[in-house]
Amino acid sequence: SQKIEQNSEALNIQEGKTATLTCNYTNYSPAYLQWYRQDPGRGPVFLLLIRENEKEKRKERLKVTFDTTLKQSLFHITASQPADSATYLCALGTGANNLFFGTGTRLTVIP
Amino acid sequence: GAVVSQHPSWVICKSGTSVKIECRSLDFQATTMFWYRQFPKQSLMLMATSNEGSKATYEQGVEKDKFLINHASLTLSTLTVTSAHPEDSSFYICSAPPLGTSGGYSYEQYFGPGTRLTVT
Repeated sequence: SQKIEQNSEALNIQEGKTATLTCNYTNYSPAYLQWYRQDPGRGPVFLLLIRENEKEKRKERLKVTFDTTLKQSLFHITASQPADSATYLCALGTGANNLFFGTGTRLTVIP
Repeated sequence: GAVVSQHPSWVICKSGTSVKIECRSLDFQATTMFWYRQFPKQSLMLMATSNEGSKATYEQGVEKDKFLINHASLTLSTLTVTSAHPEDSSFYICSAPPLGTSGGYSYEQYFGPGTRLTVT
């Protein structure tokens, strides 16, 4: 069966450290993978997209890697801040716009 | 940036009544919009794809007669939950991918703020 698993439901990290979130998938052949941030009671906000032929993407303090052999994406937030506390969702895209979401990792950055 | 709004942000209704939720793209056109449902501590589940000027496409297990979708214009899609029951209580979120500058589809999606539906 198809699965998208994010490594842990919750992750606590000290301010200033690098947070690393994992997204693993099975029985998908994604053309691209996206990461979103979701705050409680709000819709997701797009952060980064990485295509199947790309290994790494960066945007400010964010970095995403995509390994189609391992079927895994890693999402890093460097120099984490309390304002980074949120739920982070990975989403796989297999076609033009269909997205399949993971269950999310709730990140808490402790001051 | 691309902004998607939803109305209402929350609604409480009695069992058996119908509720309409609007999704609008405020500063871009969207020929396609997506409707998701999210239960507490669960991920977003795609319910249907709303296509401007044509019928919506529903995901497996989603009753099209219960969740009526109308995409009347390039900036508005509506989801009507008919004969709502308590098990329909959920967080409903729409999204829209704006047309890419190249004329094709950009792959990012812009999500609305969501509508919290509670059926009593």
